[in-house]
Amino acid sequence: DAGVIQSPRHEVTEMGQEVTLRCKPISGHNSLFWYRQTMMRGLELLIYFNNNVPIDDSGMPEDRFSAKMPNASFSTLKIQPSEPRDSAVYFCASSAYGTSGASTDTQYFGPGTRLTVL
Amino acid sequence: AQSVTQLDSQVPVFEEAPVELRCNYSSSVSVYLFWYVQYPNQGLQLLLKYLSGSTLVKGINGFEAEFNKSQTSFHLRKPSVHISDTAEYFCAAAGSGGSNYKLTFGKGTLLTVNP
Repeated sequence: DAGVIQSPRHEVTEMGQEVTLRCKPISGHNSLFWYRQTMMRGLELLIYFNNNVPIDDSGMPEDRFSAKMPNASFSTLKIQPSEPRDSAVYFCASSAYGTSGASTDTQYFGPGTRLTVL
Repeated sequence: AQSVTQLDSQVPVFEEAPVELRCNYSSSVSVYLFWYVQYPNQGLQLLLKYLSGSTLVKGINGFEAEFNKSQTSFHLRKPSVHISDTAEYFCAAAGSGGSNYKLTFGKGTLLTVNP
């Protein structure tokens, strides 16, 4: 199994530019998570999809951030316009949600996208 | 809301020494607990998880953790570490209620194993 695939692995952009991060979850998984990791705030959940539907986006910092999951095998996280404080590592994770509760199902993380906004 | 505290930000040890990485959580309800490991420039990988049952949980790479409800702790241990165990370790918790998909992570402990 290829695991969770994220692209690009590194992204350097200038303030004000649009950034799109991509994620392909593990085949058969029906839950997808976007996380952000920074030194100051650690790992934070940005948004959670279940069966391609956004369930919880309370962690999305502001309107500049948006996420979509058009089908079970692809998700994007977009930042427009980007700012230097968005610099972080963004992780995508997927799991197979069970009727007993998603937290009992292991979340498998991708390698992350390191974003630098100049 | 859940909170997870990892008491040590860095733990240096010598190869073949035992190690304990400490984790405390705050919750008044049932909780699920996890330890993840992150090697440099990689994503997080699950080491072990506690859902219910035996309080001693064994994971991959020789790690184990003990759930202690009275002390609200879930410390990670390994009796003899290797150089290859050098990584950052994250403790995480999730509640058993409606938002049980949400993992709350600690700030991480950087384990450095020296020869």
